[in-house]
Amino acid sequence: DAGITQSPRHKVTETGTPVTLRCHQTENHRYMYWYRQDPGHGLRLIHYSYGVKDTDKGEVSDGYSVSRSKTEDFLLTLESATSSQTSVYFCATGTSGVDEQFFGPGTRLTVL
Amino acid sequence: AQRVTQPEKLLSVFKGAPVELKCNYSYSGSPELFWYVQYSRQRLQLLLRHISRESIKGFTADLNKGETSFHLKKPFAQEEDSAMYYCALMVVDSSYKLIFGSGTRLLVRP
Repeated sequence: DAGITQSPRHKVTETGTPVTLRCHQTENHRYMYWYRQDPGHGLRLIHYSYGVKDTDKGEVSDGYSVSRSKTEDFLLTLESATSSQTSVYFCATGTSGVDEQFFGPGTRLTVL
Repeated sequence: AQRVTQPEKLLSVFKGAPVELKCNYSYSGSPELFWYVQYSRQRLQLLLRHISRESIKGFTADLNKGETSFHLKKPFAQEEDSAMYYCALMVVDSSYKLIFGSGTRLLVRP
């Protein structure tokens, strides 16, 4: 479990402010993912990375951007947070795209 | 379009009763399906995947391509099985992505 950490674990912010969430892994996994979890929707993929500087959009990418400058870190940025982005955000990693994904503890974000 | 449907938001059973959590999928390719579980105050974790054909914690799931289903079953539920269960479909296009269902909360009552 300690191999994947997320920071912060909780954040309350105001509409219009920028927010960056960090996912850090010590597993040396090539793939990293950002999901959001909302009641009635399960987990939805926001963005993913298949290597350093290699990222792509998921199904709910509008309003989010990501960066991955090194294997260990995958950053999710909300350029201008909106109330609809209030959610629990999960990071996940994987050795390959087809195998098991390993999840972080989640970040609860509230946008007022 | 690819989609995973879990029709039950909540499934409540008594300890020792059989459990079946339903999952249906829509996908034009060859399906690769998973069940993930999230116990209270724990991380989401893989329970099983159809390709491994393993039984984990007494749970099994069989892929039925004709009915496009991957239902999760356990003959005798235990209280520690209470958790949130997600069915997921691996979609292959330019890369590999998981599409999750909306989840079913299983509550096993004593």
